[in-house]
Amino acid sequence: TQLLEQSPQFLSIQEGENLTVYCNSSSVFSSLQWYRQEPGEGPVLLVTVVTGGEVKKLKRLTFQFGDARKDSSLHITAAQPGDTGLYLCAGARAQGAQKLVFGQGTRLTINP
Amino acid sequence: NAGVMQNPRHLVRRRGQEARLRCSPMKGHSHVYWYRQLPEEGLKFMVYLQKENIIDESGMPKERFSAEFPKEGPSILRIQQVVRGDSAAYFCASSPKGTGTGQIYEQYFGPGTRLTVT
Repeated sequence: TQLLEQSPQFLSIQEGENLTVYCNSSSVFSSLQWYRQEPGEGPVLLVTVVTGGEVKKLKRLTFQFGDARKDSSLHITAAQPGDTGLYLCAGARAQGAQKLVFGQGTRLTINP
Repeated sequence: NAGVMQNPRHLVRRRGQEARLRCSPMKGHSHVYWYRQLPEEGLKFMVYLQKENIIDESGMPKERFSAEFPKEGPSILRIQQVVRGDSAAYFCASSPKGTGTGQIYEQYFGPGTRLTVT
């Protein structure tokens, strides 16, 4: 059973377009992290959201945590080829140091 | 501040051999986590360790797999008698030592070890 479902799994769009990636669950998470992974490398942490309804911005990336802390979204404005990569959401079920549950990832391709 | 270090980056083993994967956490981090990523799949938790203690090994296969994080030196993930199904990328992550309840322990990942079993 996949606790975190990401959609879409694959997305290919043109440079300059906007896009949204979703991360959904029926479970409540105490925090949710978004990572980006390049081929042959480890995931790189982009952001952590903690509070229900929280919105964080990282340049052209906007991250939102659902009010009930069961879902999250990543919105990219004016996508660029450098945004190409695998985007992973990961949730922690409780506070403190513990394992992360990962979604299966969204593979994003931005075409010039 | 150096990031999480893993070695080797690539490891090839024949069926039946042992694989040893090493992980040095970021400076100041005392929590280490191991995850496995199979081709075209997301990361799956394997084990969480602190110095000299296994805290959560709920994701570890019951046989052939073991992990340790000694007082001195890196964390080691050991796979005995490897089989083709063990071929995967193995990632280590670390997080800092907490000082209170309610703290968010962000995990930082190493570059991974890609294990190929022939």
